[in-house]
Amino acid sequence: GAVVSQHPSRVICKSGTSVKIECRSLDFQATTMFWYRQFPKQSLMLMATSNEGSKATYEQGVEKDKFLINHASLTLSTLTVTSAHPEDSSFYICSAQPSGVSDNQPQHFGDGTRLSIL
Amino acid sequence: GQQLNQSPQSMFIQEGEDVSMNCTSSSIFNTWLWYKQDPGEGPVLLIALYKAGELTSNGRLTAQFGITRKDSFLNISASIPSDVGIYFCAGQRRGGYQKVTFGIGTKLQVIP
Repeated sequence: GAVVSQHPSRVICKSGTSVKIECRSLDFQATTMFWYRQFPKQSLMLMATSNEGSKATYEQGVEKDKFLINHASLTLSTLTVTSAHPEDSSFYICSAQPSGVSDNQPQHFGDGTRLSIL
Repeated sequence: GQQLNQSPQSMFIQEGEDVSMNCTSSSIFNTWLWYKQDPGEGPVLLIALYKAGELTSNGRLTAQFGITRKDSFLNISASIPSDVGIYFCAGQRRGGYQKVTFGIGTKLQVIP
């Protein structure tokens, strides 16, 4: 149980392109999802918290107009990297926290999206 | 953002040996989590700990939630080659958006 599907797994595109990444909880509902960025040989850095039906909460230093988050349903959150540039190249990972069971459920992660901007 | 103090950062061990890694924090967490990440993939939850002093096993893995709620350790017994990967500890607080704070990771390499 607790499967999170992230798509696509890899994107290579030209500078200036906008890229959308999807995160789906397949067998549970998630009021809250999280988006992380991971640089090589480093830990996961939280970018933003995605809340179903309301605006995302961004961490300090993360541009909300650059990284658009939409959490339209209890099983889907999307991250759009707008007008991506080479410095946006990274490994992006989403996670989802099951809702409605208790207030202390662990997050379950997707398999990540490797974004490469040429 | 804040990170937990996780050690060691890397280790080479012989297949069959036991492994221990730990995490400490200056602040209290309600939940301690241990994840494993393979290259190019997302972290996979190994063990979740919810109460101070709790000791939980998952196969060859054992983890404990420190009594002060500021630390946790993970032990792997009789290591095998597929244990290779990066292990992350994570602390979670109750309430609010329940953000998770991650350790820097322990890279484990097993020599057959």
